Amino acid sequence: DTGVSQNPRHKITKRGQNVTFRCDPISEHNRLYWYRQTLGQGPEFLTYFQNEAQLEKSRLLSDRFSAERPKGSFSTLEIQRTEQGDSAMYLCASSPEGGSSYNEQFFGPGTRLTVL
Amino acid sequence: AQSVAQPEDQVNVAEGNPLTVKCTYSVSGNPYLFWYVQYPNRGLQFLLKYITGDNLVKGSYGFEAEFNKSQTSFHLKKPSALVSDSALYFCAVRDIDQAGTALIFGKGTTLSVSS
Repeated sequence: DTGVSQNPRHKITKRGQNVTFRCDPISEHNRLYWYRQTLGQGPEFLTYFQNEAQLEKSRLLSDRFSAERPKGSFSTLEIQRTEQGDSAMYLCASSPEGGSSYNEQFFGPGTRLTVL
Repeated sequence: AQSVAQPEDQVNVAEGNPLTVKCTYSVSGNPYLFWYVQYPNRGLQFLLKYITGDNLVKGSYGFEAEFNKSQTSFHLKKPSALVSDSALYFCAVRDIDQAGTALIFGKGTTLSVSS
């Protein structure tokens, strides 16, 4: 399968713990995005990378959240000191620089976080 | 500010009937518009997009959408619904005249097709 993959698919943690999610984009895509989706809502943008550079961050991305894409390939999203309000589906998407699929974002299956 | 409205939380249609899922948008500049579908426990799947050109856009699985600039709408349509079309549908917009690449999504519309 050459789509966007995310791990883990599910994560249950206790409030105050740190969690880290991984996203592997489609191999030739140099753009990578993180979104958060809560029940009954559409995805909300968190951050965007072009290659290894983090070019955009939403105000939703508090200082407890950090994202990296060290070699311009996979990305990690870390949440420190988790809160119950962090419970959501975290979606990763990637897109190519150009070509016919330019502007389309291809989404992974998501990581569902539950904070107890 | 950019925004997307999907005025219906749920749309119910009978199999074989035409379906419409409504979307209106607000951007300060020119829009890129998208429809995505989400099945349970799966990520969003791209259906179609409007970038420029013909206002009627055809996409995957027999879906199409019509861009109407004067009404700032981008309604999703299909001439004959299938039970397998039952899913959650999201409209999204990006303002091409603004910096940034984030998509702004609506809240989603649940489509239920009965047999």
